[in-house]
Parts: sequence; C-alpha cells; structure tokens
Amino acid sequence: EIVLTQSPATLSLSPGERATLSCRASQSVFTYLGWYQQKPGQAPRLVIYDASSRATGIPARFSGSGSGTDFTLTISSLEPEDFAVYYCQQRTHWPRMFTFGPGTKVHIK
Amino acid sequence: QLQLQESGPGLLKPSETLSLTCTVSGDSIHSSSYYWGWIRQPPGKGLEWIGKIYYSGSTYYNPSLESRVTISIDTSKNQFSLRLRSVTAAETAVYYCVGLGGYEYFDYWGQGTLVTVSS
Repeated sequence: EIVLTQSPATLSLSPGERATLSCRASQSVFTYLGWYQQKPGQAPRLVIYDASSRATGIPARFSGSGSGTDFTLTISSLEPEDFAVYYCQQRTHWPRMFTFGPGTKVHIK
Repeated sequence: QLQLQESGPGLLKPSETLSLTCTVSGDSIHSSSYYWGWIRQPPGKGLEWIGKIYYSGSTYYNPSLESRVTISIDTSKNQFSLRLRSVTAAETAVYYCVGLGGYEYFDYWGQGTLVTVSS
C-alpha cells in the first residue's frame, strides 16, 4: 500500500502570504495525485488533479507541482477563505486503490 | 450540476450492518462518465476511501474493508448503496458518497452523514 505523508502538519500564515504544502509518497504515483480542501463542517473539495491541473472553479492562486514521490501545493497569496485543511490523495491502477495523506491545516496567524 | 445526497440510519450498535444510500441528481447514474463511491471520516480525523462502483456493476474496494463491504447500484432509482457488516465503535464517522469524473478523482461529494456506532 502506498502511504502519503504531508508536511507540515499545521501552517500558521497571514492573509496575503504564500503557502507551500508538501506531500510525499512512499513509492512513485507518477502524477496521479490530487489535492482537496476541507473547511469545518463541509465536505472536501477537489482543488488539483493529476498533480498540476486545477479543478473546475479553482482560482489561479492555487497551483500544484511534482511527480513521482514529491508533490507541492502552492497558494500564492492566501485569501481568508483559503484557511482550511488540505489533503493529498493518490490513485493507483493496481491494485485499484485510493489513499489520502493525513492533512495539513492552514490557519490564520 | 451533479448533486449527491446520503441517507440512512445515524445510529447503530456494534456488530450490526451499516446501510447507506446515495441519491444522484443532475445526471444519470448510468452515465459512463462517472464512477461512484464512498469515503468516510472519523470525527476530527482524516479521510478513508471505502470503495467504488461503475454503472456496469464493477466494484473496487479498500483491501482493509473488502471482506465486509458491498457497494451496489440501482440505475432505475439513480441510487447506489453501501453495506458494511459487523461495524465497531471505531467506525463511527461521517460517511460521504462521491462521484468520480473521467480522471478518477473525487469531483463530487454529498454533504456527508454521521453514523455513530455505540452500544
């Protein structure tokens, strides 16, 4: 089973600052990696898929990069609505399996 | 716009069977454009994929749950369902039904339903 680790666990930043979140896989997931945003009491929302493609309706300040085992989600300038928990997620073809990382909480400093 | 809504009992006793249904609106569940699935999240914790199903009935399950899980689809009602047998208190969680688009990511989410397992 592929294990995802995320760092840091929490990130304290101010609006307008840049956020850089990391996700590392225990073995290569190629570019089959997504990022989700979850706010309290809400379902997660897909932000990035295939490592670097923005999902529908996601602002351009969100960007993803990486391949293989190391991935990054960058929020170029934090807006108040961006403070949330972010999960990375991988999918593998064999076995057909999806796993999530433990999450990074981005909170207001 | 695709919408998903979970329904089912919110309280179970240990060893009982969890049964949830997801009603899909905004498109046909028979569409080849989507997979359908379930994800759960214990209170204050992370996300765990349970399984997914294609309109044809093909299923894929999390290996850790495979022996106890069944996901089925009812195209006549535009619904799909989750059954998880022999639940324990550790399986208290918010259960989400999800729709996966062509890239096989979780594009669409229900609002989630809290299922509590307690004696």
